[in-house]
Amino acid sequence: DAGVIQSPRHEVTEMGQEVTLRCKPISGHNSLFWYRQTMMRGLELLIYFNNNVPIDDSGMPEDRFSAKMPNASFSTLKIQPSEPRDSAVYFCASNLGDYNYGYTFGSGTRLTVV
Amino acid sequence: GENVEQHPSTLSVQEGDSAVIKCTYSDSASNYFPWYKQELGKGPQLIIDIRSNVGEKKDQRIAVTLNKTAKHFSLHITETQPEDSAVYFCAAIANTGRRALTFGSGTRLQVQP
Repeated sequence: DAGVIQSPRHEVTEMGQEVTLRCKPISGHNSLFWYRQTMMRGLELLIYFNNNVPIDDSGMPEDRFSAKMPNASFSTLKIQPSEPRDSAVYFCASNLGDYNYGYTFGSGTRLTVV
Repeated sequence: GENVEQHPSTLSVQEGDSAVIKCTYSDSASNYFPWYKQELGKGPQLIIDIRSNVGEKKDQRIAVTLNKTAKHFSLHITETQPEDSAVYFCAAIANTGRRALTFGSGTRLQVQP
């Protein structure tokens, strides 16, 4: 298995532009998680899906952030419009869907908003 | 919600020594506690986990202990090697409420050759 695949690996964009991050979870995994990592706030949960349905989006910082999971093999995290404070590493993770099993993380997308 | 605190934030040891990282959690309903290792430029990788019905678990040079009464758990690495140098995260999750991992703030471990 190729693991959790995220794209792009790096993204540099200008303030105000739309940014879309992509994730392909491990086949057979029923839950998908989006985390953001910064030096100041560590690893923060943004949103998670179970069987393609958003379960908890309370970590999404603002209405500028949105996430979708149209099918079991693909999810997107969109920021529109982007701001410099959105600069961070965004990780996608998946697991079997049982809450007490570890997550497999992707390699992350490093986002820089200038 | 759950709050996980992790100490120390940085830890430097000599190769061959032991390293201990400690975490406390706030939600008494939490019952699954994984540990992750993150190397530079990579995503966190699960290295060991423990469930609440077990007090200790060991995997070669890595062990984790859990004290549910005190609500703390620890990672022990023995005979450290330079390749153990990384950032380590603890996490916790309960089967009620938000069913997603809450992470500690991380410990940067440096093993000096």
